[in-house]
Amino acid sequence: DQQVKQNSPSLSVQEGRISILNCDYTNSMFDYFLWYKKYPAEGPTFLISISSIKDKNEDGRFTVFLNKSAKHLSLHIVPSQPGDSAVYFCAARSSGAGSYQLTFGKGTKLSVIP
Amino acid sequence: NAGVTQTPKFRVLKTGQSMTLLCAQDMNHEYMYWYRQDPGMGLRLIHYSVGEGTTAKGEVPDGYNVSRLKKQNFLLGLESAAPSQTSVYFCASSESHNEQFFGPGTRLTVL
Repeated sequence: DQQVKQNSPSLSVQEGRISILNCDYTNSMFDYFLWYKKYPAEGPTFLISISSIKDKNEDGRFTVFLNKSAKHLSLHIVPSQPGDSAVYFCAARSSGAGSYQLTFGKGTKLSVIP
Repeated sequence: NAGVTQTPKFRVLKTGQSMTLLCAQDMNHEYMYWYRQDPGMGLRLIHYSVGEGTTAKGEVPDGYNVSRLKKQNFLLGLESAAPSQTSVYFCASSESHNEQFFGPGTRLTVL
């Protein structure tokens, strides 16, 4: 039972255009969401997060949108750069018991074409 | 400031052998975690620790043991390795319940 779903295994985008990575979740107890970026042979690195009390969080070229009613979040990268090519993982956390645990999606491989 | 380091980077084991993976962090974080990542899968939590001397089971704890004798170290042990434990193992640490900082990973192959 996958609680965090990234339904697109891969995405290709032209340099300079917008990249939109999507994530859906099923657990209504999730109240904090994170995006991680992972290069080959490296550990994931934190990119951006959003609390369930917000619907948007922005950090430079990266913006995360949260639609709680749809249980959906998306990561927008504008403009996309070749260095953004990586696997992006969506993760979620619930408050209360087990709140130390992050639940990860399977990841989306983004390729930015020069 | 090295962040989170993992030892070793690569290891090949035969079925039934044992080994210990070491994770060290220099950020004085309370919380530490061990994940595994398999092809086409997200990261799955094996065990975690909320402080020195404490450990708890995650999503996939079977076949693994952990210890947190010092705040900065979190050890993951495989007592009798199985081919199903072939994976990439990531350690992470965090100050709060939110952002976790990951190590570079250990690629383990069990023949």
